[in-house]
Amino acid sequence: DAGVIQSPRHEVTEMGQEVTLRCKPISGHNSLFWYRQTMMRGLELLIYFNNNVPIDDSGMPEDRFSAKMPNASFSTLKIQPSEPRDSAVYFCASSLGGSVEAFFGQGTRLTVV
Amino acid sequence: KQEVTQIPAALSVPEGENLVLNCSFTDSAIYNLQWFRQDPGKGLTSLLLIQSSQREQTSGRLNASLDKSSGRSTLYIAASQPGDSATYLCAVRTNTDKLIFGTGTRLQVFP
Repeated sequence: DAGVIQSPRHEVTEMGQEVTLRCKPISGHNSLFWYRQTMMRGLELLIYFNNNVPIDDSGMPEDRFSAKMPNASFSTLKIQPSEPRDSAVYFCASSLGGSVEAFFGQGTRLTVV
Repeated sequence: KQEVTQIPAALSVPEGENLVLNCSFTDSAIYNLQWFRQDPGKGLTSLLLIQSSQREQTSGRLNASLDKSSGRSTLYIAASQPGDSATYLCAVRTNTDKLIFGTGTRLQVFP
């Protein structure tokens, strides 16, 4: 398996634009996590899905953030409208249930100017 | 609310030393605990996973222990090498399936 795949790897956008980050989990995994990493706040859990259903989105910072998982092999994190303070690295991770390892993608580095 | 803390925040040691990194968590109701490594500008690489019923796990020069009742885990690195330089993160899997990360320990091993 190619591991967790995220796209794009880098995104530079202007304030106010819509940004969509994409994640393909490892085939067969049924848990998917979205994280944001900054120097100030470390790794923050934004939302996680189990069997394509959002279980806890309490970490989503504002209504500008939304996430979907239309099927077991694809998830998106959308920011609309984007702001400079959204600049961070966004990671996606997946695992097979709660008792095994979680694997991370390489991340998307987002810069909002 | 589960909170995960790691100490020290940073560590700089000469090559060859044995190291202990600490991780503590506030709620002992966990499925497991996982240690990760992150190189600058890169993603996270899984190092070790300890189930809640286990006391320790070993992989090469790495040994991780878990004391669930006291809310603590340690990562022991034997005979450190410059290639071990990275940030080390622990994460607990809660019984609601969340994966909560600690603040990380930035390790530098110099020749």
